[in-house]
Amino acid sequence: QQNVQQSPESLIVPEGARTSLNCTFSDSASQYFWWYRQHSGKAPKALMSIFSNGEKEEGRFTIHLNKASLHFSLHIRDSQPSDSALYLCAVNTGANTGKLTFGHGTILRVHP
Amino acid sequence: EAAVTQSPRNKVAVTGGKVTLSCNQTNNHNNMYWYRQDTGHGLRLIHYSYGAGSTEKGDIPDGYKASRPSQENFSLILELATPSQTSVYFCASGPGQGGDTQYFGPGTRLLVL
Repeated sequence: QQNVQQSPESLIVPEGARTSLNCTFSDSASQYFWWYRQHSGKAPKALMSIFSNGEKEEGRFTIHLNKASLHFSLHIRDSQPSDSALYLCAVNTGANTGKLTFGHGTILRVHP
Repeated sequence: EAAVTQSPRNKVAVTGGKVTLSCNQTNNHNNMYWYRQDTGHGLRLIHYSYGAGSTEKGDIPDGYKASRPSQENFSLILELATPSQTSVYFCASGPGQGGDTQYFGPGTRLLVL
């Protein structure tokens, strides 16, 4: 069964800092990797995804995936107070079922 | 943007009572999912469905049933609610392939007394 772990549990950074969030998974056959973001009291919303080894950048956000190390990460450049949220990583469970296994989340607070 | 709605948004139930949580999506997505979210546990999958008439057990199905009467609607049923089922419940929908985004509803906050 897929086991997804996130670190750190929580993080406080100043505005403008670079933030790094980590996620490890256990199933080496996993194919799809996601970061979801959830603002307080709101629904989770997909932020970014990556499906092959390497790096993907969208604006201030970058995902790195290393399948051999069973690890992927989210990096936020120039962190803003509006980035303060719960970040959830997710990995597909079972080929092409659409099912995801989520990590427990990292709470990020960006202070002005 | 995909639209998923849930009702009720807040619910107080008594131990041993029956609770039904409803979810509706207007995106014609094949797959629908029910999760619960508790502090320190992220999102845990309870039941999911591949289409009308289908329900599958997720990772924590005990104490829950699900019903998918149509493409648009997916219900979560607690036949005998217990205080341990106090949580926030999220419904999500997605096209159904492994690389597809899941779109979440606003959540239902359930308190079982």
